[in-house]
Amino acid sequence: DIQMTQSPSSLSASVGDRVTITCRTSQAISSSLNWYQQKPGKAPQLLIYATSNLFRGVPSTFSGSGSATEFTLTISSVQPEDYATYYCQQSFSIPHTFGQGTKVEV
Amino acid sequence: QVQLQESGPGLVKPSETLSLTCSVSGGPIGDYYWSWIRQPPGGGLEWIGYVFYSRRTKYNPSFNSRVAISTDTSQNRFSLNLNSVTAADTAVYYCAHLSAANSYIYWGRGIMVTVSS
Repeated sequence: DIQMTQSPSSLSASVGDRVTITCRTSQAISSSLNWYQQKPGKAPQLLIYATSNLFRGVPSTFSGSGSATEFTLTISSVQPEDYATYYCQQSFSIPHTFGQGTKVEV
Repeated sequence: QVQLQESGPGLVKPSETLSLTCSVSGGPIGDYYWSWIRQPPGGGLEWIGYVFYSRRTKYNPSFNSRVAISTDTSQNRFSLNLNSVTAADTAVYYCAHLSAANSYIYWGRGIMVTVSS
């Protein structure tokens, strides 16, 4: 299985801050990396697919980059609705695996 | 717009079989990939497996052959069976659609399943 390591596991941010979350994989996965946002009691929602593609309706304050084994999710200016937990997920090989999550809080 | 809805018992006894169904609306299930993903209380996401082209399947090896995913194209739904459950299988179970871009776009709302006697 491809192991996913997200960092940090949690962070504190104020409205307007720039936030970066890192996801490292145990082997190269090309660009097969997706990012999801999850709020309490809700299903995850896709933010970024294939490393850097913004899913429809997702604000442009979100962006993704990276390649091979290191990927980042950036929120350029945190908004109140962005307080949530973020997960990376690889779809390069079976089983699909997720990072352990990064909680963004005030 | 594809919509998914999980259904099934919220309580299962240890050693028994957990059976869930995901009803799909807004598109036929026959030509796509349909997955089950779970999340234990306070925990992260774990991929269980998927079914595609109505009958081909791929599973997470960590489930040690306890799992089976099947489709019912006449009802436009797919199902999860997980046998020999233990308390470790207590989780919110989500059904989800894997898109052509290999990302999970559509998710059900999730169903909490507790394994307890």
